[in-house]
Amino acid sequence: RKEVEQDPGPFNVPEGATVAFNCTYSNSASQSFFWYRQDCRKEPKLLMSVYSSGNEDGRFTAQLNRASQYISLLIRDSKLSDSATYLCVGSGNTPLVFGKGTRLSVIA
Amino acid sequence: NAGVTQTPKFQVLKTGQSMTLQCAQDMNHNSMYWYRQDPGMGLRLIYYSASEGTTDKGEVPNGYNVSRLNKREFSLRLESAAPSQTSVYFCASSEGQGLNQPQHFGDGTRLSIL
Repeated sequence: RKEVEQDPGPFNVPEGATVAFNCTYSNSASQSFFWYRQDCRKEPKLLMSVYSSGNEDGRFTAQLNRASQYISLLIRDSKLSDSATYLCVGSGNTPLVFGKGTRLSVIA
Repeated sequence: NAGVTQTPKFQVLKTGQSMTLQCAQDMNHNSMYWYRQDPGMGLRLIYYSASEGTTDKGEVPNGYNVSRLNKREFSLRLESAAPSQTSVYFCASSEGQGLNQPQHFGDGTRLSIL
């Protein structure tokens, strides 16, 4: 089993929709979790950190569920500019492990 | 606001040629990383340097060498390039002593081996 697993998508949603991605991790010792955004042919960029208490930044909400070993990202009121690949990232005793990403396309 | 700078941005090599990819960060970060990204494979860690003077293998180190020249610079060398090394290479850095801090990426080097 991969350390961090994501549904590759694509998720095709209309503008204004709410969309959620889940990501499962296998290392129960993981302490740090992040969501990155990667646009086509660009570098990954940090979107937000994920805390046990949850984390909200505008239209984006990240949650951590340690019991079930998954993290989630919720995007409300989707914009065309949200179209990108979203990478889930977890840590352990080694450098951060990146998921392969979930592709989101927001359609007008 | 340079952040992480990679050079070159594009390169085409012939099989067997050697090449060094350069990476420099100006954020005073302790840790630096080299990844490759191929379609459908996600980011794969090649080598990393937790601090100046140390380097460690990642998931796919074969065919590569690295040098942590100083705190700012971390280079990746292909001694004898192979077509399988055609990829997009990203350098990243993170602050702090541990490896659990978020990473900041350069904008990549697109490398083609013919």
